[in-house]
Amino acid sequence: GESVGLHLPTLSVQEGDNSIINCAYSNSASDYFIWYKQESGKGPQFIIDIRSNMDKRQGQRVTVLLNKTVKHLSLQIAATQPGDSAVYFCAENSHSNDYKLSFGAGTTVTVRA
Amino acid sequence: ETGVTQSPTHLIKTRGQQVTLRCSSQSGHNTVSWYQQALGQGPQFIFQYYREEENGRGNFPPRFSGLQFPNYSSELNVNALELDDSALYLCASSFQVTKNIQYFGAGTRLSVL
Repeated sequence: GESVGLHLPTLSVQEGDNSIINCAYSNSASDYFIWYKQESGKGPQFIIDIRSNMDKRQGQRVTVLLNKTVKHLSLQIAATQPGDSAVYFCAENSHSNDYKLSFGAGTTVTVRA
Repeated sequence: ETGVTQSPTHLIKTRGQQVTLRCSSQSGHNTVSWYQQALGQGPQFIFQYYREEENGRGNFPPRFSGLQFPNYSSELNVNALELDDSALYLCASSFQVTKNIQYFGAGTRLSVL
């Protein structure tokens, strides 16, 4: 069955350093991926997305990399700031089930001052 | 902020009771999806509504039902509440043509005692 999972449940990073959050997926039919950030007491906030016809996409301070060969994607945050402390989720869907997003369990990122 | 609003923010019910949660979608969005997020887990898809009809459903029993109104707002109803229904319930809105790009509200925290 399909599953989306994150490699590590927690990540501690020094303020100003770069963060890398990893995610593995098992559904070969997945063709769209999103990274969400969820702060305490809030709903998931859209960060960046990528389609399966791309390997890399950049946003403001964030980059998503997609490796379809090994079914892996990562979110890189440059110059991590205290406001980046949150739980990060990768989510995916496929053309055949494009109405729903399947989420992983999340990685908690803590930024050290 | 996404413009997706949910009410109430918190709710306490007892086992066997029924509950109704409400969601107003972001202006212009015509599709609403509901997710259940247990503590420490990623959101799990419940169902999606478009044109006042269920557009897709996850692995949730029939006691989870929903409605969408002409103004695109939505309700989630849960009958015969069980202790395991305790969770954060998230509503997400989107355009139908890009239904996988979903924007989330802050959620309703339901506690079943």
